[in-house]
Amino acid sequence: EAGVAQSPRYKIIEKRQSVAFWCNPISGHATLYWYQQILGQGPKLLIQFQNNGVVDDSQLPKDRFSAERLKGVDSTLKIQPAKLEDSAVYLCASSPAGTGFYEQYFGPGTRLTVT
Amino acid sequence: SQKIEQNSEALNIQEGKTATLTCNYTNYSPAYLQWYRQDPGRGPVFLLLIRENEKEKRKERLKVTFDTTLKQSLFHITASQPADSATYLCALGGGADGLTFGKGTHLIIQP
Repeated sequence: EAGVAQSPRYKIIEKRQSVAFWCNPISGHATLYWYQQILGQGPKLLIQFQNNGVVDDSQLPKDRFSAERLKGVDSTLKIQPAKLEDSAVYLCASSPAGTGFYEQYFGPGTRLTVT
Repeated sequence: SQKIEQNSEALNIQEGKTATLTCNYTNYSPAYLQWYRQDPGRGPVFLLLIRENEKEKRKERLKVTFDTTLKQSLFHITASQPADSATYLCALGGGADGLTFGKGTHLIIQP
């Protein structure tokens, strides 16, 4: 079974530039999550999708971050404009159902450096 | 606000001994708790899930306990091996929520 795919793996941009990350979850998984992990911290949930609808985006900085999940499969996370404090690893995860009682499968992450 | 505390410093254990990691939480009543392992440069990998009505869960050399009165979970690795060296993350959740993670504990198993 193929795991969660993310691209790119690494990205370096200057502040005020824009960037987009892509995630392809495990086939058949209805729920998709985006997390931000700052060095030395645990992952922090940014947004949760159930199929192509948003379940929770309470911690997403909506003035600069946006995310979509078209057709309930792939998802993209965008930052525009980026700030220095956005430097982090962005993790995508998926799970088979939305009850939360299932483990989450994480991708390798995209390491973003904002200079 | 919700707070999850894990041993902030690295935990050094001699090979063959039992490693015990602690996860304490406040201002939260999770329906379940999960433990993940994270290696450098990789995403977290699920290890165990324990529900609020369960006291203990085991999987091979791993054991998790969950005390909702103390608001604490203990994660044990018996007969530890150098390959067990990694960062271990405690995560809490409830219902359809995404997970709230602790900062993780860096475990080092010394040969």
